[in-house]
Amino acid sequence: NAGVTQTPKFQVLKTGQSMTLQCAQDMNHNSMYWYRQDPGMGLRLIYYSASEGTTDKGEVPNGYNVSRLNKREFSLRLESAAPSQTSVYFCASSESSSPRQRQPQHFGDGTRLSIL
Amino acid sequence: AQSVTQLDSHVSVSEGTPVLLRCNYSSSYSPSLFWYVQHPNKGLQLLLKYTSAATLVKGINGFEAEFKKSETSFHLTKPSAHMSDAAEYFCVVSENYGGATNKLIFGTGTLLAVQP
Repeated sequence: NAGVTQTPKFQVLKTGQSMTLQCAQDMNHNSMYWYRQDPGMGLRLIYYSASEGTTDKGEVPNGYNVSRLNKREFSLRLESAAPSQTSVYFCASSESSSPRQRQPQHFGDGTRLSIL
Repeated sequence: AQSVTQLDSHVSVSEGTPVLLRCNYSSSYSPSLFWYVQHPNKGLQLLLKYTSAATLVKGINGFEAEFKKSETSFHLTKPSAHMSDAAEYFCVVSENYGGATNKLIFGTGTLLAVQP
């Protein structure tokens, strides 16, 4: 009954270092998403993947890249970390991304990332 | 474009008293609306969703919300608060993002404190 699993749970990086956040879902969902959560700002969409093989930019994509490795896995990469990327990162998945189907998204527990 | 306003950043209630968390939305068409709850150091859990069926929506843990189109509101209520309800609550509207996916627009959250 895992749902959406994110690794690692915590990470501290130095400015300029690179890192990949991992996300996997076991619900056979087609769509996956990466968000960042900052105090007082709710969650903001970084990238999403409507289906296996496709990725698209969200609201705040600068400084990030993503890979939809297969249907289960969607990774987020910081190529050169900056202090402004200190945040909590959430991965989510949904059965469908179609607006007509109105499916909710299911979230992982987050990765708490600090950039020094 | 859709947006969500949570009218209170903090709400404090006594255990056993009613809970009211207020949310107003703006949407150019029939929206999908959700309430999510986030406990400390956890991901977001879906409480309930409105997708144009019944206007009174019942969710988990005794929560419910009423969709009022004339007031563009989707307030969350619970008749009797429990200590375990202390968490942050997010009102969310689903947006047709580029026609291909249902991007979620998050409110800034309401932190609910429950006093013994």
